Amino acid sequence: GDSVTQMEGPVTLSEEAFLTINCTYTATGYPSLFWYVQYPGEGLQLLLKATKADDKGSNKGFEATYRKETTSFHLEKGSVQVSDSAVYFCALSDQNTGNQFYFGTGTSLTVIP
Amino acid sequence: ETGVTQTPRHLVMGMTNKKSLKCEQHLGHNAMYWYKQSAKKPLELMFVYNFKEQTENNSVPSRFSPECPNSSHLFLHLHTLQPEDSALYLCASRGQFATNEKLFFGSGTQLSVL
Repeated sequence: GDSVTQMEGPVTLSEEAFLTINCTYTATGYPSLFWYVQYPGEGLQLLLKATKADDKGSNKGFEATYRKETTSFHLEKGSVQVSDSAVYFCALSDQNTGNQFYFGTGTSLTVIP
Repeated sequence: ETGVTQTPRHLVMGMTNKKSLKCEQHLGHNAMYWYKQSAKKPLELMFVYNFKEQTENNSVPSRFSPECPNSSHLFLHLHTLQPEDSALYLCASRGQFATNEKLFFGSGTQLSVL
């Protein structure tokens, strides 16, 4: 069945450091891929998405590229800020499984000044 | 503000209580979801409603009972819960059942079962 695997956290970085959060997926069809972010005390909100192979999603300085050959969708940011401290979830939606969403376990990021 | 509102934000209940969680959206979405978020686990999909009809029930215990009276409102009725049911319960909605269509989440209800 479909699934998403994320690197385990927590991740602690200094401000302006480079961020990578790894995500790999398993899907039977051609899924769309998403990164969601959850700030403390809030629900999840979409950060970026990519709908086909080689697409790059980007938002707020974050980027992720849909790599079909490695079934990956790693999240990157060149220079993190304290305000980026949150939990990040990788997810997929697959037509072959009724367009349901599958989420990873989430990766907690803390950025220190 | 995502347009999906959940109440209450926090709930503490005993194992013999009956309570309900409420979710409301006025985004014109036709699909609504309940998810359970526990620490260090993937989000667990509990129920899905599409045009008010339940389309998914992921082996959820009967002590959780969903209700969708119209496409804007979704309830989760709780009774005789167990301490392991303590978690953040998230409601979400979606405009269409399309692969590239995103979910809109509420802020969740943090439930503690004593």
